[in-house]
Amino acid sequence: ETGVTQSPTHLIKTRGQQVTLRCSSQSGHNTVSWYQQALGQGPQFIFQYYREEENGRGNFPPRFSGLQFPNYSSELNVNALELDDSALYLCASSPRDRGYGYTFGSGTRLTVV
Amino acid sequence: EDQVTQSPEALRLQEGESSSLNCSYTVSGLRGLFWYRQDPGKGPEFLFTLYSAGEEKEKERLKATLTKKESFLHITAPKPEDSATYLCAVQAEGYSSASKIIFGSGTRLSIRP
Repeated sequence: ETGVTQSPTHLIKTRGQQVTLRCSSQSGHNTVSWYQQALGQGPQFIFQYYREEENGRGNFPPRFSGLQFPNYSSELNVNALELDDSALYLCASSPRDRGYGYTFGSGTRLTVV
Repeated sequence: EDQVTQSPEALRLQEGESSSLNCSYTVSGLRGLFWYRQDPGKGPEFLFTLYSAGEEKEKERLKATLTKKESFLHITAPKPEDSATYLCAVQAEGYSSASKIIFGSGTRLSIRP
């Protein structure tokens, strides 16, 4: 059974640039959620995708967007990067939209300079 | 507003010294409460799900309990390898098909040999 894999592991971007983060869900999981985790804080919910459609969104601006593909892999896109976007971005998958027992990836550490 | 508060923020114990971590929550309706372990630079690792007051779950040296307002993670005779940040999260009712999970800020546990 494969877990959740994220790429890249680390990334440095300049303020104003755009970034795409990728996530490969655990086999059999059709729901994927993205979280932002600032240093010393708990993860904050960005949005969730279920069967390729956005299924819920947290308090993040529209410049945070996502996609889920037929094979349940997913992307998180962030436009017009700001310094405060520096964080660990976590992808989590689950076998149904109930969400319990999420499997998290190891995250992408994004630094905006 | 749905909220999760964890205490203490940090806890240092001697190996073998048992203790408890607290998670207080306020939600309009609880669908589930989760405990995760997170090691530095890694994604959260799922430990337990609790659904109703009075429920208990155990895994090795860890035991999670749930009341109507809080949950406790009891650590019995901890070892240095139990050192990590422990995150509590709740899944609330009332989000239609979305299954947003709200995390606390975590408790950083350090076990000295």
